[in-house]
Amino acid sequence: GAGVSQSPSNKVTEKGKDVELRCDPISGHTALYWYRQRLGQGLEFLIYFQGNSAPDKSGLPSDRFSAERTGESVSTLTIQRTQQEDSAVYLCASSLGHSGANVLTFGAGSRLTVL
Amino acid sequence: QQQVKQSPQSLIVQKGGIPIINCAYENTAFDYFPWYQQFPGKGPALLIAIRPDVSEKKEGRFTISFNKSAKQFSLHIMDSQPGDSATYFCAASNSGGYQKVTFGTGTKLQVIP
Repeated sequence: GAGVSQSPSNKVTEKGKDVELRCDPISGHTALYWYRQRLGQGLEFLIYFQGNSAPDKSGLPSDRFSAERTGESVSTLTIQRTQQEDSAVYLCASSLGHSGANVLTFGAGSRLTVL
Repeated sequence: QQQVKQSPQSLIVQKGGIPIINCAYENTAFDYFPWYQQFPGKGPALLIAIRPDVSEKKEGRFTISFNKSAKQFSLHIMDSQPGDSATYFCAASNSGGYQKVTFGTGTKLQVIP
């Protein structure tokens, strides 16, 4: 597609429920990143995919968080047993992933509110 | 060693002023330094970027100054406009191998008419 698409754009859930957030990267982009942005805060790295493997999962805050990617396409971030501190905007970005200028193209984000 | 430190956290300038945002890094393997601009409700978007083989890069009203020996770089916005009001993030990455992008903590800029 023309840009990085994320869904849902807004999600309100109750504490303890599981949520899935989806990211459709730009076609041909092999690298995919998930970031978390709390209100008024910076970008917190969660996980990086190169193709469908995840060489860096170091930012996932707990074992309630997981992510997968199908080939060089869609990625899903899953948060199990959501907590109020999980409330944030979850941003996905993709890039060409090869040597050279590593330009990230971000989606508009999925805003998660845990009540 | 992976951190990128950014300051100030927030900045208010009058229209026409020249806001300056500063960043510092530690990892000498970094060789690509982009700046991203984020408007409310949107994802960050690449604004301008520099490599360490040059000391300055200018694109329109936006200029990056780079000091390799000090491991610092800064963004200057000439003749700032209210439409420049946004959050700005500096970042750093290296071109070889795994290209994790490390972001600064962001600067919220407000340009007053």
